[in-house]
Amino acid sequence: SQQGEEDPQALSIQEGENATMNCSYKTSINNLQWYRQNSGRGLVHLILIRSNEREKHSGRLRVTLDTSKKSSSLLITASRAADTASYFCATGGLTGGGNKLTFGTGTQLKVEL
Amino acid sequence: GAGVSQSPRYKVAKRGQDVALRCDPISGHVSLFWYQQALGQGPEFLTYFQNEAQLDKSGLPSDRFFAERPEGSVSTLKIQRTQQEDSAVYLCASSPTWYGRPRDIQYFGAGTRLSVL
Repeated sequence: SQQGEEDPQALSIQEGENATMNCSYKTSINNLQWYRQNSGRGLVHLILIRSNEREKHSGRLRVTLDTSKKSSSLLITASRAADTASYFCATGGLTGGGNKLTFGTGTQLKVEL
Repeated sequence: GAGVSQSPRYKVAKRGQDVALRCDPISGHVSLFWYQQALGQGPEFLTYFQNEAQLDKSGLPSDRFFAERPEGSVSTLKIQRTQQEDSAVYLCASSPTWYGRPRDIQYFGAGTRLSVL
């Protein structure tokens, strides 16, 4: 089952604008990650934020985490056409020694020229 | 170095056929995961290996699904007597383990798209 939901389900913006995606989850977490998936491809890791962190930056990406609300947001600044993809949040928890990821439902981002 | 490699990329099976999906993880990665992704959904966990040991198979949907990683590198996900509801993309991911703690980031293959007719 999915861990939670992301919204919006789909987002269409113009190149140069900022894109914000939100993720909610249900259970306590060890960390939360964001992945990108281009059509027909596997997932690519973007950024990880641990449960004791509130904000993290990586290039044009900014992630926030609010464990009290069980929510996270991903901001992509100055978007480019190449950012067009599906974005998933995933929560990590230890299982048998591994870090099984539980994914959200995803946001489809379209960046138009 | 090469990334995670999965084969075949596409597989069409008739209902009732058995299929085998292969995953070559990144060399040296101890942890290997299988996920199932239905159309328009996020991936869902199927099973996890640490080296050759299958430590978690809680996500396998039925006893028709089983996975193996006999030498701790290549893994095969086998689905017996395929059903239409098995149609999905099957993703493999690997991650390194460092000083006994698993690294958190997973590296995904491109997936195998299975269509059961």
